[in-house]
Amino acid sequence: GAVVSQHPSWVICKSGTSVKIECRSLDFQATTMFWYRQFPKQSLMLMATSNEGSKATYEQGVEKDKFLINHASLTLSTLTVTSAHPEDSSFYICSAEMRDLEAFFGQGTRLTVV
Amino acid sequence: GIQVEQSPPDLILQEGANSTLRCNFSDSVNNLQWFHQNPWGQLINLFYIPSGTKQNGRLSATTVATERYSLLYISSSQTTDSGVYFCAGGGFKTIFGAGTRLFVKA
Repeated sequence: GAVVSQHPSWVICKSGTSVKIECRSLDFQATTMFWYRQFPKQSLMLMATSNEGSKATYEQGVEKDKFLINHASLTLSTLTVTSAHPEDSSFYICSAEMRDLEAFFGQGTRLTVV
Repeated sequence: GIQVEQSPPDLILQEGANSTLRCNFSDSVNNLQWFHQNPWGQLINLFYIPSGTKQNGRLSATTVATERYSLLYISSSQTTDSGVYFCAGGGFKTIFGAGTRLFVKA
């Protein structure tokens, strides 16, 4: 299957700082990537759709100014959590879909804001 | 939007037992998948199964697209099968069900 690499795997940051998470498709080009958030013992909730060369599409209730998404190339999307606060602590995971719409996921990033 | 329902929410099995997990969709999907989330959070692709039946070792899956449901079968369960199983699908966006939390006892 396809490989999607996410970095970092975990990060601890101070409240008020920003954190950038990278998502790369290693062996295929992805015009579209997706960002999810998962709270403990809950399912994955879609945050936004990242489109190469254009603005991201955010799901209802997701603050676009808080979660900045950039899809600068066909293999890289980044999620920046700006002015992070403890309530932003969560597990963030990205995905990319193949042409047949099968989705492959990165390893996820566990963010802790202290 | 599409709603995804999974059942049962929790399942405890004795090692060696068989089980069936179910996934219902509120509308047609063309990219139904089953995943296993390991304790570190990694999502492992089990099956990409928009329709039909597939098997991989002790696991198999069947999707009846016309009736908007899919089943995941686990046979001869092992303790390493423990974890959360998600089904997901949609049109352009992949939406996840709430998951089935499986614990296999030795």
